[in-house]
Amino acid sequence: AQTVTQSQPEMSVQEAETVTLSCTYDTSENNYYLFWYKQPPSRQMILVIRQEAYKQQNATENRFSVNFQKAAKSFSLKISDSQLGDTAMYFCAFMSAGTASKLTFGTGTRLQVTL
Amino acid sequence: DSGVTQTPKHLITATGQRVTLRCSPRSGDLSVYWYQQSLDQGLQFLIQYYNGEERAKGNILERFSAQQFPDLHSELNLSSLELGDSALYFCASSVASSPGMNTEAFFGQGTRLTVV
Repeated sequence: AQTVTQSQPEMSVQEAETVTLSCTYDTSENNYYLFWYKQPPSRQMILVIRQEAYKQQNATENRFSVNFQKAAKSFSLKISDSQLGDTAMYFCAFMSAGTASKLTFGTGTRLQVTL
Repeated sequence: DSGVTQTPKHLITATGQRVTLRCSPRSGDLSVYWYQQSLDQGLQFLIQYYNGEERAKGNILERFSAQQFPDLHSELNLSSLELGDSALYFCASSVASSPGMNTEAFFGQGTRLTVV
């Protein structure tokens, strides 16, 4: 069974600064997907970024980028130029590439962006 | 808007009662997942359906059941409700049409269940 670990329960960053959220996972599979989801106070789950394990290039979406280290089973999220609207819970998630595989989440990191 | 629709958005009911939560996946998505999120906690996987059949089961109580209908919408039935069942229940869907074609899951806005 896959497990996803987020070791930082809470983090704080000042507006316009950069912050990195950590995530590690454990799997015996070679082909899978990794995701970061954002959950703002509205509680909506919003997909931030996605990474396919077979791609060596790190995914980037505007101010959000990942550092994917497959051998180390590490998948960190970097938020550049932090904005107040980035304040949210961030969940790292794993999904096998097999058909209809479930999504396994970490426990989340609460990010507070301050002025 | 993710394209996943959950109804109702809010539900308040008494202990011992039974409720049904409904989920309509995005058009074309075959896989539906149900998750439970208690206050200030992570998402607990309950159950997954793929094209009408149960695919995976998580920490789902025996008092809970689900199904996916031929039109691919899904219902989560919660019975003999207890105070501890109060939570946000999410439905998500993904394409999952073939091996290697699995994609990210898109979430509905959730149903907030309050048991009093």
